[in-house]
Amino acid sequence: NAGVTQTPKFRVLKTGQSMTLLCAQDMNHEYMYWYRQDPGMGLRLIHYSVGEGTTAKGEVPDGYNVSRLKKQNFLLGLESAAPSQTSVYFCASRAGAAGELFFGEGSRLTVL
Amino acid sequence: AQTVTQSQPEMSVQEAETVTLSCTYDTSESNYYLFWYKQPPSRQMILVIRQEAYKQQNATENRFSVNFQKAAKSFSLKISDSQLGDTAMYFCAFMAGTYKYIFGTGTRLKVLA
Repeated sequence: NAGVTQTPKFRVLKTGQSMTLLCAQDMNHEYMYWYRQDPGMGLRLIHYSVGEGTTAKGEVPDGYNVSRLKKQNFLLGLESAAPSQTSVYFCASRAGAAGELFFGEGSRLTVL
Repeated sequence: AQTVTQSQPEMSVQEAETVTLSCTYDTSESNYYLFWYKQPPSRQMILVIRQEAYKQQNATENRFSVNFQKAAKSFSLKISDSQLGDTAMYFCAFMAGTYKYIFGTGTRLKVLA
């Protein structure tokens, strides 16, 4: 029972490089989210999606892009990585209005 | 703007004792949901307990219970008979509308043997 799977789990980038984080869920959830977690700041919403083909900005969207071409996948892209994007990234999904969030295991990204 | 505040960055409790984690929130919504999530050292977040704002009865899940004070906008988590496996970061979260989840900054709980 996979749930929410994030790849890769760890990545080190140099400033200016690009990369994509993949989130896949097998629960047929409509809503998907990307958060970043930084010490003392909790989880901050980067982007979210309310269904296949839709995306929207969260509270800290700058420097990130997302796509949801298939219902089960939500991709987070960094076009030109910056040291300020060093963080742990979490993907989450949920089914409906009152549903709990199901989280992936997180992806630790370091930008040098 | 909706906010969630956890004023206790770190707490510790002796094994088998009871501990209460505080959470306050601010919203103008009348219908919303509140959650406590646990993040153990393994990093994956899991739901501990959920409360619907329209329900007056406090939610309970085994050793975990909440004290929901709607007028005061307070949502504290009580852990009874604390166990070593309860050591984790605990996040309070608020959800209103169709999509938005807002998290507090977390309380790091350490259970001492």
